[in-house]
Amino acid sequence: EAGVAQSPRYKIIEKRQSVAFWCNPISGHATLYWYQQILGQGPKLLIQFQNNGVVDDSQLPKDRFSAERLKGVDSTLKIQPAKLEDSAVYLCASSSRAPGSTGELFFGEGSRLTVL
Amino acid sequence: GESVGLHLPTLSVQEGDNSIINCAYSNSASDYFIWYKQESGKGPQFIIDIRSNMDKRQGQRVTVLLNKTVKHLSLQIAATQPGDSAVYFCAENMYGAGSYQLTFGKGTKLSVIP
Repeated sequence: EAGVAQSPRYKIIEKRQSVAFWCNPISGHATLYWYQQILGQGPKLLIQFQNNGVVDDSQLPKDRFSAERLKGVDSTLKIQPAKLEDSAVYLCASSSRAPGSTGELFFGEGSRLTVL
Repeated sequence: GESVGLHLPTLSVQEGDNSIINCAYSNSASDYFIWYKQESGKGPQFIIDIRSNMDKRQGQRVTVLLNKTVKHLSLQIAATQPGDSAVYFCAENMYGAGSYQLTFGKGTKLSVIP
């Protein structure tokens, strides 16, 4: 079974520029999550989707971050404009279970962002 | 300048010894817990989970213990191998902002000495 695919793996941009990350979850997984992982810390949830609807985006900095999952399959996360503190690994995860229910999340390898 | 991440707690063990990684969780209402392993440059990988109505669960070479009285979780790895070297995170399923979320702890870096 193919895992969660993310791209790009690495991105370096200057502050105030924009960047977009793409995620393709495991086939059939209705729930998709974006996490931000700053160096030396645990992943922090940004947003979770069930199919094409947002379940929780309370921790997404909406002045600069946006995410969509228009057809309920793949998803994009955008940052515009980027700040130095956005340097992190952006992890996408998917699950066959409803948001917040028990069961493991399957993570992609992440997209590492460096903002200069 | 570039911000510096928090210094991770570390645990060094000899190959073949048992490892115990501890985690304190925050919410007494959390009903489900997972341990994840994260190798350098990779995403977190599921190890084992436990529901709040249990106090122990065993997998292959791993055991998770849950003490709800003191809100403590531990992961025991038997006969630790070099391939176990990674950062280990506990995560709790807790309710916040209108939905359940899987919230991760800070992580512990396990180094296995050959």
